[in-house]
Amino acid sequence: GAVVSQHPSWVICKSGTSVKIECRSLDFQATTMFWYRQFPKQSLMLMATSNEGSKATYEQGVEKDKFLINHASLTLSTLTVTSAHPEDSSFYICSARRPGQGNSPLHFGNGTRLTVT
Amino acid sequence: QQQVKQSPQSLIVQKGGISIINCAYENTAFDYFPWYQQFPGKGPALLIAIRPDVSEKKEGRFTISFNKSAKQFSLHIMDSQPGDSATYFCAASQPGSNYKLTFGKGTLLTVNP
Repeated sequence: GAVVSQHPSWVICKSGTSVKIECRSLDFQATTMFWYRQFPKQSLMLMATSNEGSKATYEQGVEKDKFLINHASLTLSTLTVTSAHPEDSSFYICSARRPGQGNSPLHFGNGTRLTVT
Repeated sequence: QQQVKQSPQSLIVQKGGISIINCAYENTAFDYFPWYQQFPGKGPALLIAIRPDVSEKKEGRFTISFNKSAKQFSLHIMDSQPGDSATYFCAASQPGSNYKLTFGKGTLLTVNP
């Protein structure tokens, strides 16, 4: 079964508003989670690494003030798209791996389809 | 700079045939190479993964072949089925930076009945 849960699965918002996406590890504690963005028919692009208890690490070109990441607990990371615009419409996917396994399988949530009107 | 190059972009195979997807990388520090399967509107699901100390790994109908000297690895899907129709991504990661994954551009596989 799923080991990473994401909510909501889809959301429609108006331009200028903010949207929060939750990512939970279901049966393990994740000190690190990853947030990806995927445009239609394209690959997954890493946006940022969410670290429990410290600031997120953003990839080059990703606006940290626009995409706020909070890793509030060992099982929950949130991504908030602030002042969303139509160009932010995309498929956002989080991922995590079981702790203590180094370079091991990364499990993905089922994604959140964001549409900004 | 694209660190993991994947081909072909799309692939059409008849039911029962063999689907082959190839990936190449440049970074010799990569030490973990997974393949993911993604259906429309869903997150990627891990299919199979390999480390560079082996040249082949098989799980059911799925096989990874790995050529360390050529810096290439491939996914073979034997006896392809219509239910295998999906987008497949190869990926790679290296020690450090929390072992973050770098993905290929994906291959859209269509298996005709």
